[in-house]
Amino acid sequence: IAGITQAPTSQILAAGRRMTLRCTQDMRHNAMYWYRQDLGLGLRLIHYSNTAGTTGKGEVPDGYSVSRANTDDFPLTLASAVPSQTSVYFCATTDRGYTINQPQHFGDGTRLSIL
Amino acid sequence: AQSVTQPDIHITVSEGASLELRCNYSYGATPYLFWYVQSPGQGLQLLLKYFSGDTLVQGIKGFEAEFKRSQSSFNLRKPSVHWSDAAEYFCAVGAGQAGTALIFGKGTTLSVSS
Repeated sequence: IAGITQAPTSQILAAGRRMTLRCTQDMRHNAMYWYRQDLGLGLRLIHYSNTAGTTGKGEVPDGYSVSRANTDDFPLTLASAVPSQTSVYFCATTDRGYTINQPQHFGDGTRLSIL
Repeated sequence: AQSVTQPDIHITVSEGASLELRCNYSYGATPYLFWYVQSPGQGLQLLLKYFSGDTLVQGIKGFEAEFKRSQSSFNLRKPSVHWSDAAEYFCAVGAGQAGTALIFGKGTTLSVSS
């Protein structure tokens, strides 16, 4: 079934450790996004990518980095995790990268706890 | 700056009763508006969207929403709520610029009582 795969589903991580959240899509969508969801704050954009080879910063990019080597994969890396990065992370895609006329599709999320 | 406000954090509705979830936005031009639903432990699912044209839009699962430019609102409605509608609902606005993504409200949690 076509869609977005996020891995891991959940993770408990010690503070200071490096962690990469994976996101893979098989829909060939140009644009991909990473959001974090926190209680009472809704979803906030971390980073985005319009197309392979390009990335941009969202609302809350500090402490996170992304890469977009190809169309299908958009990993999110926490170089040195801190407890405030405890959250649920969602990857999303849009099938036209240069407009927002198309709705975004979401993965099932990664629940990350930093201790 | 664009923003979305969902005034109600939590709403409880009896099964079979009607539902209206409020959404107000701030945007300088014609917005692109969306409603998403999130069941516990799941990702977001698109219910409906408004880009232009008819201001009353129909979505999945019997939901509809009405765009009112004069009130800067995009309220979600359903005439008869089912227990399975219990979830969190997010309103979102498109920022209208290439390379940007949706701006979400903080969500409204819907509980359905029997």
